Amino acid sequence: QSVLTQPPSASGTPGQRVTISCSGSTSNIGSNNAYWYQQLPGTAPKLLIFSNNQRPSGVPDRFSGSKSGTSASLAISGLRSEDDADYYCAAWDDSLSSVIFGGGTKLTVL
Amino acid sequence: EVQLEESGGGLVQPGGSLRLSCAASGFTFSTYWMHWVRQGPSKGLMWVSRINGDESTTHYADSVKGRFTISRDNAKNTLYLQMSSLRVEDTAVYYCVRAVTTATRGLGYWGQGTLVTVSS
Repeated sequence: QSVLTQPPSASGTPGQRVTISCSGSTSNIGSNNAYWYQQLPGTAPKLLIFSNNQRPSGVPDRFSGSKSGTSASLAISGLRSEDDADYYCAAWDDSLSSVIFGGGTKLTVL
Repeated sequence: EVQLEESGGGLVQPGGSLRLSCAASGFTFSTYWMHWVRQGPSKGLMWVSRINGDESTTHYADSVKGRFTISRDNAKNTLYLQMSSLRVEDTAVYYCVRAVTTATRGLGYWGQGTLVTVSS
């Protein structure tokens, strides 16, 4: 059981906007930065969002992140077929002294 | 360009040992926190360990504490993970990950991973 809670699945049609939530606690998201990763089938994860809402160079601005209290969210606008992937949130947990991940959300582009 | 290349994975019996390596290039290795993260077959991501630039600080997941040791050789631009007392549940792809920036510790750039299989 993951310390960060994500919905196991999400879906949308091309062009739509979808949001994936990540619920934590005061010891992780509530006091540290949230990160988001995309994992395409058979490949290594790729950083999408760091420090709650920062995009690395090369990540399209269709991807955006936000944080409020002990929860973080990833929004994908203008959904495309290549966005069909697994998405993970992560944060440092002060109580566990560990990086913790959400269980992952499988996004299906219909 | 940031490049991270893991090696050293393979098949090992329960109770055995293995050392993973991660050769880094394209950045000033000694100035970044580095991590190991693993992913079991058809499972999610699990953080294993991290180390700061001068090796003065390390952290481990509870499930590997006392069995795994993270280290680095800044002269060789290489990160290591010494794994001992391996268990079947340690079977996973192990990823080497660099922090996003020199000022942050969070997981940034990932290698392609190396597969470790623990089985008799």
